Amino acid sequence: GAGVSQSPRYKVAKRGQDVALRCDPISGHVSLFWYQQALGQGPEFLTYFQNEAQLDKSGLPSDRFFAERPEGSVSTLKIQRTQQEDSAVYLCASSLEHPGGPYGYTFGSGTRLTVV
Amino acid sequence: QKEVEQDPGPLSVPEGAIVSLNCTYSNSAFQYFMWYRQYSRKGPELLMYTYSSGNKEDGRFTAQVDKSSKYISLFIRDSQPSDSATYLCAMSATGAQKLVFGQGTRLTINP
Repeated sequence: GAGVSQSPRYKVAKRGQDVALRCDPISGHVSLFWYQQALGQGPEFLTYFQNEAQLDKSGLPSDRFFAERPEGSVSTLKIQRTQQEDSAVYLCASSLEHPGGPYGYTFGSGTRLTVV
Repeated sequence: QKEVEQDPGPLSVPEGAIVSLNCTYSNSAFQYFMWYRQYSRKGPELLMYTYSSGNKEDGRFTAQVDKSSKYISLFIRDSQPSDSATYLCAMSATGAQKLVFGQGTRLTINP
């Protein structure tokens, strides 16, 4: 597709439920990123893939968070045993090259997760 | 203290005004500096990027980087109501893949 597609757009989960968030990057983009954006805050880095390899997961807040990109295209961010503090918008981005280059990141519209 | 500091505003100005947005940072390894615009319920979109110090102009937008002061700015000339959005500064170091964002400044341009 023309842009980064994320689904679902909105997700309400009861505390303790597991959730899975999907990201379809731009075709041909080898780099894929997940960010978490709390209300009124800037995005914070969670994890980075180059093709299918997860090269940096330093931003994942706990072992309840897990991300995968098995075929180097679609990625899934899974959150186990959701907590209220997990409520945020989860943004996926893809990039052809280094994010500081002229193309930068292309972000999806995000998945808004609300844990009740 | 956060690596990147940005005044969250909100900032409200009349149409046609010049808008100045800025960020400070503490990590001297940052070499790439970007400004993203984020409309409500949308993802951020890249507006401007600058490598190292200097100025860059694109239409009504001008980005400035002063590495000696660890200070970056975005100027918007002849502001329009359609410029109303949250503006996020972002930075990265050479060889780093992740971006570090500021908190974002919420801007409203009043007709």
